[in-house]
Amino acid sequence: SYELTQPPSVSVSPGQTARITCSGDALPKQYAYWYQQKPGQAPVLVIYKDSERPSGIPERFSGSSSGTTVTLTISGVQAEDEADYYCQSADSSGTLFGGGTKLTVL
Amino acid sequence: QVQLVESGGGLVKPGGSLRLSCAASGFTFSDYYMSWIRQAPGKGLEWVSYISSSSSYTNYADSVKGRFTISRDNAKNSLYLQMNSLRAEDTAVYYCARDLRFRIQLWSTNWFDPWGQGTLVTVSS
Repeated sequence: SYELTQPPSVSVSPGQTARITCSGDALPKQYAYWYQQKPGQAPVLVIYKDSERPSGIPERFSGSSSGTTVTLTISGVQAEDEADYYCQSADSSGTLFGGGTKLTVL
Repeated sequence: QVQLVESGGGLVKPGGSLRLSCAASGFTFSDYYMSWIRQAPGKGLEWVSYISSSSSYTNYADSVKGRFTISRDNAKNSLYLQMNSLRAEDTAVYYCARDLRFRIQLWSTNWFDPWGQGTLVTVSS
């Protein structure tokens, strides 16, 4: 099976744009999904099918895909966006998660 | 609103067994696949198992295959995970999640929404 690779950490100042990438060989053939997890809480879906935003998720969250890389973009980052972010996709044997990226808001 | 509540976690010795439960409400449970996903302390997410809406299909991660069994009772809106031969590396928070699937012919995709709050399983002597 393949892997999904994320940077361990991303730091950004409030109001700036944060970009978190996720790379995997199967991503051109499979959708990617993004989850936000704050300390002590369960993950929450923030992007599905590469770029769709669930109801209730702020518009500053967006997703995009290009080849083997998908990107979660958070525009105008707020302090409350500090969290771990995980990408997820599928392969022939099941579901796969990236290793997670800790977003720090400076 | 859609809600999932796990229970049954606790401290168990290596080689022991534990049964987790997940109570669902706010949606038609029998229409959806369901999954268990776990997170070891300080680590990332690991998908564990899924079950189809009518229990016809199940699948497991290689790390738990042959030791864990997923099941559901649609009459009780409940999902279960029977965990046997537990190991220290099974220590984790276990989440149940609604498993949303989209299929076109032989191609399919899936994602998880929502998740329960999780239940902690600790395997230690």
